[in-house]
Amino acid sequence: QVQLVQSGAEVKEPGASVKVSCKASGYTFTAYFIHWVRQAPGQGLEWIGWINPNDGGTKYAQNFQGRVSMTIGTSMTTAYMELSRLRPDDTAIYYCGRAIPADQAIDIWGQGTVVNVSS
Amino acid sequence: DIEMTQSPSSLSASVGDGVSITCRASQNVIKFLNWYQHKSGKAPKLLIHAASSLQTGVPSRFGGSGSGTYFTLTISRLQPEDFATYYCQQTYSAPFTFGPGTKVDIK
Repeated sequence: QVQLVQSGAEVKEPGASVKVSCKASGYTFTAYFIHWVRQAPGQGLEWIGWINPNDGGTKYAQNFQGRVSMTIGTSMTTAYMELSRLRPDDTAIYYCGRAIPADQAIDIWGQGTVVNVSS
Repeated sequence: DIEMTQSPSSLSASVGDGVSITCRASQNVIKFLNWYQHKSGKAPKLLIHAASSLQTGVPSRFGGSGSGTYFTLTISRLQPEDFATYYCQQTYSAPFTFGPGTKVDIK
């Protein structure tokens, strides 16, 4: 079936980087954008950006510009999101999601990856 | 950036009740408006996309309407599994902003 499986929980110190993976299966990977969304403790959903697996094109939210990088693995089934210069307020659950081509609504979600930034 | 607001921020209702949640966009998003259900510890679930299109597999008691800057999510006959937080999201213009959420809990 169609699914996205994310990498496991991470604990990082402030200033470090984290790279979260999102492995797709059950569909044509290059036909759908992958979006990344996060939820900090007690907060709502925050859109981080998207990547087009077909050509590697990206769009990032201004809040993350300069700190985030979204890439596609050479296997062409896995998307990655790397966030650098981590701060304690980057502590959150990070989700990847597949987007419907016509309107970019996220119809399939990964299970989420907990990233804890603490010294 | 397009700002999304939702009202109410929370509501209490009983099983079998009907409820409505509104979402407003600070700019015209035409019909690029989606609704998600989110339960703690689980991934969000797409309910409605393009303002009024019911996602496959979602019960018909969920409905969406609106266009431009004003949208509504309606849940008729609340079921126990519907108690959750609901978010709207515009996908008209990046960044694809979410509303702050509406928590629906049991009265």
